[in-house]
Amino acid sequence: GQNIDQPTEMTATEGAIVQINCTYQTSGFNGLFWYQQHAGEAPTFLSYNVLDGLEEKGRFSSFLSRSKGYSYLLLKELQMKDSASYLCAVRIISGNTPLVFGKGTRLSVIA
Amino acid sequence: NAGVTQTPKFQVLKTGQSMTLQCAQDMNHEYMSWYRQDPGMGLRLIHYSVGAGITDQGEVPNGYNVSRSTTEDFPLRLLSAAPSQTSVYFCASSYRDYTEAFFGQGTRLTVV
Repeated sequence: GQNIDQPTEMTATEGAIVQINCTYQTSGFNGLFWYQQHAGEAPTFLSYNVLDGLEEKGRFSSFLSRSKGYSYLLLKELQMKDSASYLCAVRIISGNTPLVFGKGTRLSVIA
Repeated sequence: NAGVTQTPKFQVLKTGQSMTLQCAQDMNHEYMSWYRQDPGMGLRLIHYSVGAGITDQGEVPNGYNVSRSTTEDFPLRLLSAAPSQTSVYFCASSYRDYTEAFFGQGTRLTVV
């Protein structure tokens, strides 16, 4: 089966840096997405990684290690508006579905 | 630019009733998909389509039908609603399956 693990909840302080991890064990790998979802709203795209390494986009960066089955999302200079759930999703090469989401990490940013 | 329009926003059904959730996009995206989101379960793919006339099953397709007669529209049909289908449903579209997906506002469905 497909397994994607993320911490359920995290808390961080405004202005700080937080790293949200995602580990996966899937039948083939074809890329990894990160989405942000505020409570009661639809997910919005943050990043897509298919090659190993770090991709930076403003305050947000995403890292991928295919050999380790591991990714992380790094949020810098945290703001209160970053309080949201962060969803990791893996594209699968084979299996009964092409895309599997983790259960999400709920991040609370406190003053 | 409307993006992805999903209707209705809220719906209450009785067990056994049928209904269609509508999804339309105006970005000329080839790839469209339907998800359900349940507490503690994350988003799960129900059905998806890589283009007009082509649909395929995702992780949890049972109890749902889809069709893709045009590039713009991708309706999701519940033939006989069950309480287990109580969930929040999201439609999404993207240019390709490896590009940014745009989500509709969601439908909160309750089956009693």
